Amino acid sequence: QKEVEQDPGPLSVPEGAIVSLNCTYSNSAFQYFMWYRQYSRKGPELLMYTYSSGNKEDGRFTAQVDKSSKYISLFIRDSQPSDSATYLCATSGGSYIPTFGRGTSLIVHP
Amino acid sequence: DSGVTQTPKHLITATGQRVTLRCSPRSGDLSVYWYQQSLDQGLQFLIQYYNGEERAKGNILERFSAQQFPDLHSELNLSSLELGDSALYFCASSFWDRGEQYFGPGTRLTVT
Repeated sequence: QKEVEQDPGPLSVPEGAIVSLNCTYSNSAFQYFMWYRQYSRKGPELLMYTYSSGNKEDGRFTAQVDKSSKYISLFIRDSQPSDSATYLCATSGGSYIPTFGRGTSLIVHP
Repeated sequence: DSGVTQTPKHLITATGQRVTLRCSPRSGDLSVYWYQQSLDQGLQFLIQYYNGEERAKGNILERFSAQQFPDLHSELNLSSLELGDSALYFCASSFWDRGEQYFGPGTRLTVT
């Protein structure tokens, strides 16, 4: 079992939709959770960085962590074509080195 | 723009050769991380340096080495290159030896 798992997609949604992206992880020691956005062949861009369980909101993005079920989510409101990218989740524990999921490809069509 | 710079953007070389990838962290960041991203493996952590010293090691091959210089820039050296080393190589930086990491634009290495 991989430490961090994501559905590769692609997830295709119409413009304006609410997008839900999800990850599961296996190591209960993980306590830091991140979401990165990566456009094709570009460097990952940090979207959200959270510690422990709960919600964190930043503009149209909300990150949600449920440590009891080892489940992390990223919600994107009012999705735009410019949101089309691959979204990587990552988690880390005491070593602080993140373990990345393989990413979910999102396509937002006009 | 994350503030992390990497050179070169693209590198094409032959098997058996040696290359050096360069990374400059964001201004003020002390920690540098190197990652390899390939289609079949995803984003894999290679090695971390903090203020000039090696801090953590991941799935880095013995043919690969890195260092961080007093001005905090870092170099990743890849030797005896194989076809399977073809990948995107990313550098990331953070202020401390932990916390939020900001990635550079990457170096695309093609080994022929």
